[in-house]
Amino acid sequence: EVHLVESGGGLVQPGGSLRLSCAASGFTFDTYNMIWVRQGPGKGLEWISYAANTASGSGVYYADSVKGRFTVSRDNAKSSLYLQMNRLRVEDSATYYCVKGGGSGTSSSFENWGQGTLVTVSS
Amino acid sequence: QSVLTQPPSVSGAPGQRVTISCTGSSSNIGADYAVHWYQQVPGTAPKLLLFDNSHRPSGVPDRFSGSRSGTSVSLAISGLQAEDEADYYCQSFDKRLRVWVFGGGTKVTVL
Repeated sequence: EVHLVESGGGLVQPGGSLRLSCAASGFTFDTYNMIWVRQGPGKGLEWISYAANTASGSGVYYADSVKGRFTVSRDNAKSSLYLQMNRLRVEDSATYYCVKGGGSGTSSSFENWGQGTLVTVSS
Repeated sequence: QSVLTQPPSVSGAPGQRVTISCTGSSSNIGADYAVHWYQQVPGTAPKLLLFDNSHRPSGVPDRFSGSRSGTSVSLAISGLQAEDEADYYCQSFDKRLRVWVFGGGTKVTVL
């Protein structure tokens, strides 16, 4: 059974940094694309980052809203996905979900979701 | 505004059939990218409901079905049940923006 467990969320001041982690189990991590999706309080879902699997070249992609501030990385040996978030803004406050991709590339579905970790950016 | 447009809410009585539309454009749904649907029960993480327009993952009841036409897709829920009360999101890829995109979500209320 697929398990995705996020950690690292919390309260941070505007301009600060936070690193989210996602521990994956139940599948061969390095063969799947991994994604970060966030959901602001009372808002809809927003895709923010995509880390391709090894076979696809391990490329990384970002939404414009986080490009240049957030960095996604993966440690296939540890079956873990990370999101380094710098220069945080109030509007980055959200629940952040780690997601295992289904299918491939642009047709990827977001197949399995973690329970999410809450990030609050406030002074 | 979301790239994919969904109605904010739909409602129906138990046993009825409801449909949720998801309208895109020639750079996403109209460009033949796969569309996927997610169900989010309040207070929980989203769950994949349909993938590749109309395919159900294991465990999803066949009351849920998907269809596609031009730049729009639809999710139908037949035999509506109280447990179907949730938010539903469509998702695809946009080739002009080069990003994965979601609809704004539709809240389904069972009367």
